Amino acid sequence: DAKTTQPPSMDCAEGRAANLPCNHSTISGNEYVYWYRQIHSQGPQYIIHGLKNNETNEMASLIITEDRKSSTLILPHATLRDTAVYYCIVRVLTSGGYQKVTFGTGTKLQVIP
Amino acid sequence: EAQVTQNPRYLITVTGKKLTVTCSQNMNHEYMSWYRQDPGLGLRQIYYSMNVEVTDKGDVPEGYKVSRKEKRNFPLILESPSPNQTSLYFCASSPDLGRLAGLQETQYFGPGTRLLVL
Repeated sequence: DAKTTQPPSMDCAEGRAANLPCNHSTISGNEYVYWYRQIHSQGPQYIIHGLKNNETNEMASLIITEDRKSSTLILPHATLRDTAVYYCIVRVLTSGGYQKVTFGTGTKLQVIP
Repeated sequence: EAQVTQNPRYLITVTGKKLTVTCSQNMNHEYMSWYRQDPGLGLRQIYYSMNVEVTDKGDVPEGYKVSRKEKRNFPLILESPSPNQTSLYFCASSPDLGRLAGLQETQYFGPGTRLLVL
């Protein structure tokens, strides 16, 4: 199973770009990288996902390295409301053909005024 | 409004007293899942269901049961709760998290149920 590794915590100044790294060195060819975030103890919220091309939506950008062994989530202008735990997830196909989702412990991003 | 609902949101119970946490989604999603979240351990999957009458164990299924008799509901059952099941529980659903065609689907999470077992 592909696993992900993230730093446990990061700080970012308000208004600056927040760059959250994730290593997924055992990822295989058909596995997407997903990012979710969790604010306080609310249910996790989907942010963005990608396979091998860089992706951008209204919330964030996702940069995936060419070898796909790591990725970076970019919040271009962090606000205080972006303070949350960010999870990088790789979806894995089980032997039965179904997908398994494993969350790690994520990165706690603190946006500082 | 498309949503996943859980009930109750907060529950205090005693060891051994059977309880059920309900989960319902109104998006006609095939896939549903239960997670627990504990400090320092992140989110861990308990059980998941690919469709009606099809369920499978996640990473931490011990002490839990589930059923999927209809598409919209996926209750989590604790037959004999113990203090180590004190946790924050999340239900989630997805249009299809099964076969290859569903690889791009995202999960929608409920608001969480905070359980304390004394």
